[in-house]
Amino acid sequence: EIVLAQSPGTLSLSPGERATLSCRASQSISSHFLAWYQQKPGQAPRLLIYGASSRATGIPDRFSGSGSGTDFTLTISRLEPEDFAVYYCQQYDSSPPYTFGQGTNLEIK
Amino acid sequence: EVQLVQSGAAVRKPGESLKISCKTSGYGISGYWIGWVRQMPGKSLEWMGIIYPDDFETRYSPSFRGQVTISVDKSIGTAYLQWRSLRASDSATYYCARHVTYDSNGYIYAVDVWGQGTTVTVSS
Repeated sequence: EIVLAQSPGTLSLSPGERATLSCRASQSISSHFLAWYQQKPGQAPRLLIYGASSRATGIPDRFSGSGSGTDFTLTISRLEPEDFAVYYCQQYDSSPPYTFGQGTNLEIK
Repeated sequence: EVQLVQSGAAVRKPGESLKISCKTSGYGISGYWIGWVRQMPGKSLEWMGIIYPDDFETRYSPSFRGQVTISVDKSIGTAYLQWRSLRASDSATYYCARHVTYDSNGYIYAVDVWGQGTTVTVSS
């Protein structure tokens, strides 16, 4: 089973700042199979990024993804108030389970 | 609009059975893997398993194989998650999830549509 470790656990920033979230895999995975999701309290997750760097439909361009091998990054260039939420990475590289990271809580400073 | 509409919250006692549902709307259920993700209170997401409605192939996480059953009724565009004997540790929110695949090879790469979640509470 591939383990995804996200860091930091909590990130405190102000609107307008840049956010950098990390997702590290326990073994190398294809970038084709790394996705990022956003989840707000009481809501279902929402797909942001797939294939490590492709934005899903309707996702603003302030969200970007990058990385390869074992290290992947989600960057939010200029934080808007609605961006404060929990972010999860997920991998589909290996056979099930298609594991999620433990999440990064992006909170307002 | 493509939607997954899940059944309402359920409260059961330990040892009881339960089947929750996820009805597709705005697209035909065929051609997409559909499955379930668990979220225990205050915790991360856990991928449980999926089913391909066209041939009923299922894939389960080892953690959930034998504990739950995923099924589908193509005629009504609905997927199900079923327990035969619930435990208190099954208390969680369960999300229905449509999985998308690359056209070139059929490999799954993300969940693009989520249901609203069904909260299951198991308590004596």
